[in-house]
Amino acid sequence: EVQLVESGGGLVKPGGSLRLSCAASGLLFNNAWMTWVRQAPGKGLEWVGRIKSINDGGTTDYAAVVKGRLTISRDDSKTTLFLQLNSLKTEDTAVYYCATGYCSVGSCAFDNWGQGTLVTVSS
Amino acid sequence: QSVLTQPPSVSAAPGQKVTISCSGSTSNIGNNYVSWYQQLPGTAPKLLIYDNNKRPSGIPDRFSGSKSGTSATLGITGLQTGDEADYYCGTWDSGLSAGVFGGGTKVTVL
Repeated sequence: EVQLVESGGGLVKPGGSLRLSCAASGLLFNNAWMTWVRQAPGKGLEWVGRIKSINDGGTTDYAAVVKGRLTISRDDSKTTLFLQLNSLKTEDTAVYYCATGYCSVGSCAFDNWGQGTLVTVSS
Repeated sequence: QSVLTQPPSVSAAPGQKVTISCSGSTSNIGNNYVSWYQQLPGTAPKLLIYDNNKRPSGIPDRFSGSKSGTSATLGITGLQTGDEADYYCGTWDSGLSAGVFGGGTKVTVL
């Protein structure tokens, strides 16, 4: 059974930074494309960014709203995905989910999701 | 403002059918497969449909998906109270080089 467990959420001040982790198990992590999706309170899903498997180049794509502030990385030896978001704004307040699945030209589908971790940006 | 457009809400009586539309453009739905997700209150989303009309293992055939041109549709037949949830469509947008979701549709069982 695939398990994704996010951690690192909490209260952060505007202008600050956050680093989230997503520990994965039950899958061949080094073959997995990993994505971060967020959901502001009472709002819909928002795709944040994605990192391909190392075999497929390990490259990243980011949503325009976070480009320049976001870095997604992975440590395949620890089967862990990371999200680093800088220059935080109040509108970054959301539950952040990690998810697995191919997402690129042709198709985009996330077959496993974590339980999410809440990030609140407030002074 | 979401890239993909969904109706905010749909409703029907138990046992009836609902359909949820998802409208996009040639840069997203028109040239990429669509997926659908169910999000029950307080839980993470769950994949219902991928590649327009395929169901993952364990998803009942009451859920179906279709696509025509730049629009996609999710159908739910034999509506049950447990189907009350928010439903989202998603796909890749080749112009944005990003994944995109619809704004979500709340299904209410009357």
